[in-house]
Amino acid sequence: DIQMTQSPSSLSASVGDRVTITCRASQSISTYLNWYQQQPGKAPKLLIYAASNLQSGVPSRFSGSGSGTDFTLSISSLQPEDFATYYCQQSHSTPRTFGQGTKVEIK
Amino acid sequence: EVQLLESGGGLVQPGGSLRLSCAASGFTFSSYAMSWVRQAPGKGPEWVSGISGGGGSTYYADSVKGRFTISRDNSKMTLYMQMKSLRVEDTAVYYCAKDPSEWFGESTEWFDPWGPGTLVTVSS
Repeated sequence: DIQMTQSPSSLSASVGDRVTITCRASQSISTYLNWYQQQPGKAPKLLIYAASNLQSGVPSRFSGSGSGTDFTLSISSLQPEDFATYYCQQSHSTPRTFGQGTKVEIK
Repeated sequence: EVQLLESGGGLVQPGGSLRLSCAASGFTFSSYAMSWVRQAPGKGPEWVSGISGGGGSTYYADSVKGRFTISRDNSKMTLYMQMKSLRVEDTAVYYCAKDPSEWFGESTEWFDPWGPGTLVTVSS
């Protein structure tokens, strides 16, 4: 199975800050990497698919990049509604696997 | 609008069985693969099972293979998960999620949208 490792596990930031979350795959997955946002008590929501494609309706302050084994999710200017937990997920092979999550908290 | 709604969760004893359902609306159900993804308390999501649009191809995580069975009734626009021999470690919120294509397992695959989830608690 492909292991996905996110860093950091949590971070504290202020409204307006630029935030970057990293996801590393245990083997090359090309650009078959998706990002999700999860608010407490809610289902995950797709933000980015295929490493860098913004899902319809997602604000443009979110962006994704990377290929191979290293990927990043960036939020250009953190908004109050962005405080949540973020997960990466690979679709290169089955079983599909997720990272352990990065919790973005208010500083 | 695409909508998914899970049901069937509850409290069950270890070794017991449960059947989850996911009612879909707002899209041509038979044209899309579907998946079940679970999330244990305080943990990240774990993909459990996937099924092609026609229902002819199914896939399972090793952790549930032989115990869980995914199926679908396209005439009722409903996805199912039959769970047997349940273990304490199966305790989680179970979500159904829509794939972007008819075939599960393609590399260009993501889960969108997800239903609100149904809680399964396995405990004596």
